[in-house]
Amino acid sequence: AQSVAQPEDQVNVAEGNPLTVKCTYSVSGNPYLFWYVQYPNRGLQFLLKYITGDNLVKGSYGFEAEFNKSQTSFHLKKPSALVSDSALYFCAVRENTGFQKLVFGTGTRLLVSP
Amino acid sequence: DGGITQSPKYLFRKEGQNVTLSCEQNLNHDAMYWYRQDPGQGLRLIYYSQIVNDFQKGDIAEGYSVSREKKESFPLTVTSAQKNPTAFYLCASSRTGTAYGYTFGSGTRLTVV
Repeated sequence: AQSVAQPEDQVNVAEGNPLTVKCTYSVSGNPYLFWYVQYPNRGLQFLLKYITGDNLVKGSYGFEAEFNKSQTSFHLKKPSALVSDSALYFCAVRENTGFQKLVFGTGTRLLVSP
Repeated sequence: DGGITQSPKYLFRKEGQNVTLSCEQNLNHDAMYWYRQDPGQGLRLIYYSQIVNDFQKGDIAEGYSVSREKKESFPLTVTSAQKNPTAFYLCASSRTGTAYGYTFGSGTRLTVV
């Protein structure tokens, strides 16, 4: 069965520093990977996805993610964090059998301090 | 603008009452989903549907019911059998196929009073 793991419940970073939110995946076959962000009392917003092609995927709000097949990882990155990036981040992978639902990780809370 | 609309934004329920949460999309998406989110927690799948008049139970379907009479609409009823319904409920929709992600609504916060 497909799954993703987000090993950190919370990541703390100072404004202006680079940030990384980690995600590892387990799939049979080709992975289709997604990152979402959730601000308080809001729905999830799409940030970026990896389907095929370049291992470095660029997304919204200056975020990017690096797909690493050998390490089965899809870490979310940003070169310079903003206080407004503080939110809950979810990694997800599409099932490639059956209904092909998205399987979400448990989420990582990012706190960017001024 | 195309999107997915959840209403109401806030809902208060007395114990023993059924309540229905609305979810409407104009994205022409085939699939629709309901999730529950407890404070500071991840998403738990309640029900999902790929086509009209067909839906499947997710991981925590007990105490909930859904209908899919129209492609655009996927209402969720929280019944009195759901013992701890206070939560944030999220509806989502998607095209079928592995290349597509989900579009989420803005959520309904349900509180039992």
